[in-house]
Amino acid sequence: EAGVTQFPSHSVIEKGQTVTLRCDPISGHDNLYWYRRVMGKEIKFLLHFVKESKQDESGMPNNRFLAERTGGTYSTLKVQPAELEDSGVYFCASSPQGGEQFFGPGTRLTVL
Amino acid sequence: RKEVEQDPGPFNVPEGATVAFNCTYSNSASQSFFWYRQDCRKEPKLLMSVYSSGNEDGRFTAQLNRASQYISLLIRDSKLSDSATYLCVVNDYKLSFGAGTTVTVRA
Repeated sequence: EAGVTQFPSHSVIEKGQTVTLRCDPISGHDNLYWYRRVMGKEIKFLLHFVKESKQDESGMPNNRFLAERTGGTYSTLKVQPAELEDSGVYFCASSPQGGEQFFGPGTRLTVL
Repeated sequence: RKEVEQDPGPFNVPEGATVAFNCTYSNSASQSFFWYRQDCRKEPKLLMSVYSSGNEDGRFTAQLNRASQYISLLIRDSKLSDSATYLCVVNDYKLSFGAGTTVTVRA
């Protein structure tokens, strides 16, 4: 069975540009989470989808971040415009109801 | 105050040694706890859940002290393959991570 996949694996952009990260959860997992690890800090929760609905977006840093999960399948996280402090590793995780969260390999974002 | 605080280490131990480290959490209402393992430049992977009575999984033993809001992990008979960063995680349906404890097992 395929695990959580994320695309791209790396992205290098300039400050002010837009980047869209994609996450494909494990098939059948209704729960999808985004997390972020910035340099030297712990992994932090960003938001949680249940199917296509945002259950909790309390961890989103500001309105430059927009997450969507149309149709309750894959999810995108767009950063517009990107700032230097947005650099880090963005992880996506999925889980069945009440189950273990499985993490994707992450997208390493560098904003120059 | 951070939600989860961990001793960052690093712990550098010889093969076969026992190594133990811990974390504390701030939310006294938290009910669910895990240890995750993260290898360099990889995603976190669940190592084991932590139960109130303490639990073992092979060479790994996890303990929870709710009164002190303290979680520990002990690794017995360390292997080279145990070298990794160990993340203390509190599950309040969303996961709160500690910054990780780095363990290096040397030959």
